[in-house]
Amino acid sequence: SQELEQSPQSLIVQEGKNLTINCTSSKTLYGLYWYKQKYGEGLIFLMMLQKGGEEKSHEKITAKLDEKKQQSSLHITASQPSHAGIYLCGARRGSTLGRLYFGRGTQLTVWP
Amino acid sequence: EAGVAQSPRYKIIEKRQSVAFWCNPISGHATLYWYQQILGQGPKLLIQFQNNGVVDDSQLPKDRFSAERLKGVDSTLKIQPAKLEDSAVYLCASSLMGQTYNEQFFGPGTRLTVL
Repeated sequence: SQELEQSPQSLIVQEGKNLTINCTSSKTLYGLYWYKQKYGEGLIFLMMLQKGGEEKSHEKITAKLDEKKQQSSLHITASQPSHAGIYLCGARRGSTLGRLYFGRGTQLTVWP
Repeated sequence: EAGVAQSPRYKIIEKRQSVAFWCNPISGHATLYWYQQILGQGPKLLIQFQNNGVVDDSQLPKDRFSAERLKGVDSTLKIQPAKLEDSAVYLCASSLMGQTYNEQFFGPGTRLTVL
């Protein structure tokens, strides 16, 4: 079974629009990671959230982890074509050296 | 700082053939991971090394997959013999031991096509 559920699976937005991607787990998350992947390339680390209620921002991307640490959202403000790609959420359970479990990803297309 | 290096970037083989992938982690990173990413899915961990010891290989199909990390630096992942369902991107990642959080840095991946 999939550890993390991401929604939507794909998203097509016009440049300048805001968007939100969600990541949900049935289990408590001990670390929630957001990565971006372009086709044929590796994963680029965006942000990591650990504490319930935590929120982090980098440029026009904001990520939040809910108080129960079972859901995270990634919000992009005023999207640009450079934001296009696959957004993956990953989470660990247990030790700091533990594996990451990933969602299936959200394919984002931004058209001019 | 140099990132995680992987080679080859692309590989096409026929089923039942053998293939090997190479990974060079970021200098000083003690933990190395191999993930398999099938098209349309998120990466799935195959094996995790701490220095040259295996920490987790519970998801590695050991009848055909093997991996080693000699001297605790570079790593090689091998598939022998390959099956059609092994077509995927194989990602290598590394992380610094002892961090309070487990940020993993990923390489560009090797795209394997099995015909």
